[in-house]
Amino acid sequence: GNSVTQMEGPVTLSEEAFLTINCTYTATGYPSLFWYVQYPGEGLQLLLKATKADDKGSNKGFEATYRKETTSFHLEKGSVQVSDSAVYFCALSDGTSYGKLTFGQGTILTVHP
Amino acid sequence: DADVTQTPRNRITKTGKRIMLECSQTKGHDRMYWYRQDPGLGLRLIYYSFDVKDINKGEISDGYSVSRQAQAKFSLSLESAIPNQTALYFCATSDEDSPEQFFGPGTRLTVL
Repeated sequence: GNSVTQMEGPVTLSEEAFLTINCTYTATGYPSLFWYVQYPGEGLQLLLKATKADDKGSNKGFEATYRKETTSFHLEKGSVQVSDSAVYFCALSDGTSYGKLTFGQGTILTVHP
Repeated sequence: DADVTQTPRNRITKTGKRIMLECSQTKGHDRMYWYRQDPGLGLRLIYYSFDVKDINKGEISDGYSVSRQAQAKFSLSLESAIPNQTALYFCATSDEDSPEQFFGPGTRLTVL
């Protein structure tokens, strides 16, 4: 079956630090990959996505590249802000069950001034 | 106005009680989903519906049932609530042409 594994958290950084949150996956077919973000007290919002190998998704200074050879989709940001404090979820939707998402366990990010 | 709404936002109930969580959407999507979120486990799919007449079990459907009353409404019921159903519940929608899902704000359910 499909699965998504994220790096264990929580992650605590100082403002302007570099962020990496690792995500690896197993899936059948040719999955689409996503990063969702959940701010305190809110539902999940799509942060970025990539639908095929070597695609790079980007949004709000965050980036992730779909690496088929390493089955990875790591999230990066060059300079985090306090407002980036949230829970980040990696997820996939495979080609055989279009519309169904499989989520990683989530990584809590806290950014201090 | 929010595209995906959930009611109630918070609910405390007792073991053995029946409870219904409601979800409404104005996005015009055919596909709707119910997830539960537990710390350290991410989101797990309970039920999903690809149209009004199509309802499917997800990975953790035991103890839950759903009703798709209309394209815009998808309700989740706990027939006899138990404490390990204490969790944050999310409704989501998607268009059939895209895997991207849009989430409601969540319902925090506590079963005592």
